[in-house]
Amino acid sequence: DAGVIQSPRHEVTEMGQEVTLRCKPISGHDYLFWYRQTMMRGLELLIYFNNNVPIDDSGMPEDRFSAKMPNASFSTLKIQPSEPRDSAVYFCASSDGLAGTTDTQYFGPGTRLTVL
Amino acid sequence: AQKVTQAQTEISVVEKEDVTLDCVYETRDTTYYLFWYKQPPSGELVFLIRRNSFDEQNEISGRYSWNFQKSTSSFNFTITASQVVDSAVYFCALSEGDSGGSNYKLTFGKGTLLTVNP
Repeated sequence: DAGVIQSPRHEVTEMGQEVTLRCKPISGHDYLFWYRQTMMRGLELLIYFNNNVPIDDSGMPEDRFSAKMPNASFSTLKIQPSEPRDSAVYFCASSDGLAGTTDTQYFGPGTRLTVL
Repeated sequence: AQKVTQAQTEISVVEKEDVTLDCVYETRDTTYYLFWYKQPPSGELVFLIRRNSFDEQNEISGRYSWNFQKSTSSFNFTITASQVVDSAVYFCALSEGDSGGSNYKLTFGKGTLLTVNP
């Protein structure tokens, strides 16, 4: 089975531009998570979805960040406008969340974003 | 609030040495889950193990073993006979509860960079 798929793997953009990161979770997984990894703050949860519905977005840093999950096999994380401090690796993860327990989250390869 | 501490920022060993990575956690819940992930130089996050708070049995998987001790709130990871391919950043993570909602949040430690030299 394919794992979590993320695109693009690398993104370089200029400050002020819109950036869209994409994620395809593992088929059959009901939960999807977006994380950000930086040297200063480590791995941080930004937002997560259950059955395509956003459950907790308390980790989203500010209004410039938005995430959507239009269907069970696709999610986007958008930054508009982007700023240099948004440079980081963004990970998507999914889990099947069976029986209301904390199941294992499987991570995609990440998108390395550089904002100049 | 939950917290994970990996006090060892970097560890360097010579191949074939045993090495233990420490993880100490804080939680108010009686039900929680602990995880270890590996992040090799290529950057992906690889799942290694998941353990719930009611299962204190130690686990061994090949050269990897985990020691879970609730009395000291620790979930340490040992690599026996380390190899160069074990070089990576290792993250310990915690998730609280099983009542739905925020229990799915993973709180990660800062990670330990392990370098295994030939």
